[in-house]
Amino acid sequence: DAGITQSPRYKITETGRQVTLMCHQTWSHSYMFWYRQDLGHGLRLIYYSAAADITDKGEVPDGYVVSRSKTENFPLTLESATRSQTSVYFCASSATPGATTEQYFGPGTRLTVT
Amino acid sequence: GENVEQHPSTLSVQEGDSAVIKCTYSDSASNYFPWYKQELGKRPQLIIDIRSNVGEKKDQRIAVTLNKTAKHFSLHITETQPEDSAVYFCAASRRGNTMRFGAGTRLTVKP
Repeated sequence: DAGITQSPRYKITETGRQVTLMCHQTWSHSYMFWYRQDLGHGLRLIYYSAAADITDKGEVPDGYVVSRSKTENFPLTLESATRSQTSVYFCASSATPGATTEQYFGPGTRLTVT
Repeated sequence: GENVEQHPSTLSVQEGDSAVIKCTYSDSASNYFPWYKQELGKRPQLIIDIRSNVGEKKDQRIAVTLNKTAKHFSLHITETQPEDSAVYFCAASRRGNTMRFGAGTRLTVKP
């Protein structure tokens, strides 16, 4: 579990501000994912990446931007935060192509937008 | 795309009883079905998974069954203990596609 970390763990920001959530993994996993977790919705995929410089939209991408210049890092940016983006954000990684093996989750970032 | 429905949303059982959580999926090409457990304030962690070429898989007190024809799969926990209390998520995916999660089931085991 220590192989995938997220920072910050808690963040409070104001509406309209830009905020970046960081994700770092030490396993050299090819695939990385960003999910948001809201009560009643489970885990919803925001963006994912198959490798460095390859990213794609998930189920709820609007208002988010990602990049992956290095295999180990996958930052998520909220360009202009809105209250509806208040949530718990989880980063995950997976060793093999596709989504047919275990995903390892980071500890999560609790984001509050006021 | 894939859609996963999970029932019930909450489940309360007495310690020692069994618990069953059910999920249905829509994409007949899905071939990987993991179950994750999330304790309060913690990250989701895989507890068991099953692939479409297998009908049932057991790991101590936990078992998962898969009915490909009906497109549903279930998690069975026997002899429940207070430490089984958590939120459980099912998911479904296939190669070349992303994983879709159910909305979760909050299981409470009463001592």
